[in-house]
Amino acid sequence: EAGVAQSPRYKIIEKRQSVAFWCNPISGHATLYWYQQILGQGPKLLIQFQNNGVVDDSQLPKDRFSAERLKGVDSTLKIQPAKLEDSAVYLCASSPLGLAYPDTQYFGPGTRLTVL
Amino acid sequence: KQEVTQIPAALSVPEGENLVLNCSFTDSAIYNLQWFRQDPGKGLTSLLLIQSSQREQTSGRLNASLDKSSGRSTLYIAASQPGDSATYLCAVYSGGGADGLTFGKGTHLIIQP
Repeated sequence: EAGVAQSPRYKIIEKRQSVAFWCNPISGHATLYWYQQILGQGPKLLIQFQNNGVVDDSQLPKDRFSAERLKGVDSTLKIQPAKLEDSAVYLCASSPLGLAYPDTQYFGPGTRLTVL
Repeated sequence: KQEVTQIPAALSVPEGENLVLNCSFTDSAIYNLQWFRQDPGKGLTSLLLIQSSQREQTSGRLNASLDKSSGRSTLYIAASQPGDSATYLCAVYSGGGADGLTFGKGTHLIIQP
């Protein structure tokens, strides 16, 4: 079974530039998550999709971050414009059900973003 | 607001020892608690999930316990091996939306061969 795929693996940009991350979840998983993990911290859940609809984006800084999940499969997370404090690893995960269930999340390898 | 604390922040033990990692949380009204492992440059791998109604879960050499009333969980690793070296993260889900999922900062574990 193929795992969660993410690209790119690394990205270096200057502040005020734009960047986009891509995620392909495990086939058949209804729920997709985007996390931000700052160095030395635990991951922070930014947004949760159920199929192609947003379940919760309460922790997504919507003035600069946006995310979509077209056709309930792949997802993209965009930052525009980037700030220095956005430097982090962005993790994508998927699961069959959702947070309220005894449901295992499967994580991709992450994209390490450095904003200079 | 839920807070999750993991102690110790780092731990180094010789191969073969049994060890315990600790996780504490401030709000006992939780749906579930999960333990993850994270290897350098990789994503997280789910190890064990304990629902709020359960006391413990076991998988191989790993055993996780949950004492919801006291806000504590432990991850017990038996007969540690160098391949167990990783960062171990505890996460608590308290319901609601994305802000209901709270991770600790992790325990960085090194098993000396």
